[in-house]
Amino acid sequence: DTAVSQTPKYLVTQMGNDKSIKCEQNLGHDTMYWYKQDSKKFLKIMFSYNNKELIINETVPNRFSPKSPDKAHLNLHINSLELGDSAVYFCASSQGRLSSSYEQYFGPGTRLTVT
Amino acid sequence: GNSVTQMEGPVTLSEEAFLTINCTYTATGYPSLFWYVQYPGEGLQLLLKATKADDKGSNKGFEATYRKETTSFHLEKGSVQVSDSAVYFCALNNQGGKLIFGQGTELSVKP
Repeated sequence: DTAVSQTPKYLVTQMGNDKSIKCEQNLGHDTMYWYKQDSKKFLKIMFSYNNKELIINETVPNRFSPKSPDKAHLNLHINSLELGDSAVYFCASSQGRLSSSYEQYFGPGTRLTVT
Repeated sequence: GNSVTQMEGPVTLSEEAFLTINCTYTATGYPSLFWYVQYPGEGLQLLLKATKADDKGSNKGFEATYRKETTSFHLEKGSVQVSDSAVYFCALNNQGGKLIFGQGTELSVKP
């Protein structure tokens, strides 16, 4: 019954590795997002997809590549992991496209630790 | 540009105390405003929202009023409980889907 789910919940890996985080929503929403929360709990948007189309792409290193196979799924692949990538990554979803008023529903987060 | 500023935490209160967490914003036009709450080890949950000036959002005893003249959206609750201990985020959405968050305010309620 989880509305927005992410896997894995925890990810510990070494510098230089490549890893992926998966997200799925069962709310029937058209838009999905990736946010990064740093160690000071500051949250910043990274990407957004609407119906498999990339619509928001913030200034993020191109080692990060989102992929949306369908509107219910949004994955985040990270190449050549660096220490600074350690953070909690949240997936979210909402109705509409580029709408300001709809709330976003967040997943439980994936805590990525790069050693 | 768009930005949100919240009062610094941590805020420590006794149970049944009155809570105010200040939030001010900078934005062009008419953003929607939100309060999200993050309980330990969990994702963010929407607490309340307001989409136009003078709207009051309310939920679970929490309230916030969208004040355009002071560009503020302060969160209040009349009587906090231990279970309200969490991190509270004020956010605005003014650019079609892009939530801009404040830095978060940690609230700790002691019995």
